[in-house]
Amino acid sequence: EDQVTQSPEALRLQEGESSSLNCSYTVSGLRGLFWYRQDPGKGPEFLFTLYSAGEEKEKERLKATLTKKESFLHITAPKPEDSATYLCAVQAGWDSGNTPLVFGKGTRLSVIA
Amino acid sequence: DAGVTQSPTHLIKTRGQQVTLRCSPKSGHDTVSWYQQALGQGPQFIFQYYEEEERQRGNFPDRFSGHQFPNYSSELNVNALLLGDSALYLCASSRDDDTEAFFGQGTRLTVV
Repeated sequence: EDQVTQSPEALRLQEGESSSLNCSYTVSGLRGLFWYRQDPGKGPEFLFTLYSAGEEKEKERLKATLTKKESFLHITAPKPEDSATYLCAVQAGWDSGNTPLVFGKGTRLSVIA
Repeated sequence: DAGVTQSPTHLIKTRGQQVTLRCSPKSGHDTVSWYQQALGQGPQFIFQYYEEEERQRGNFPDRFSGHQFPNYSSELNVNALLLGDSALYLCASSRDDDTEAFFGQGTRLTVV
């Protein structure tokens, strides 16, 4: 069974204090690993897709990396507006069409000014 | 581009009632997936529609059903509502030949 585990569950940072969020996964053939940001009561906002081990992607203060067993979301010099829940999801299989995403429970990030 | 739109944004229903939620996909997208997100949890896959057919289904009872229309928009129907059906219902759209899925803002369903 495909599984995603995110840690920590919650993280509190001072503004400017860099840190990393972890996403460990087991999947029967990784098609893609996804990071989303979710604000309270809103839908997830797409951030990154990673497809193979060693791949890295950056967007503003965020950088996502991927190994064969886990992904990290590095946050450099965070600001209060980066406060949100960050969700990791995997998509398995190589069949045609889109297989469903399997999500972790998310990491709740709070950045204090 | 309007992105993925869902309606309504909030609604309150009584146990035993039926509810219909609606989703319009992002322009150019032909695949719609529905997810249920309980408080403090990650989204759970309900089912996916492509070419007006249910293509895949998660571990949800038959009380959950759906439909996709020729314009790719979709509905999620839930019958005989239970208190445990209270959640944020998310619609995600994608192109069949692309892995990236984009979500709507969700419908917050409260069952009392």
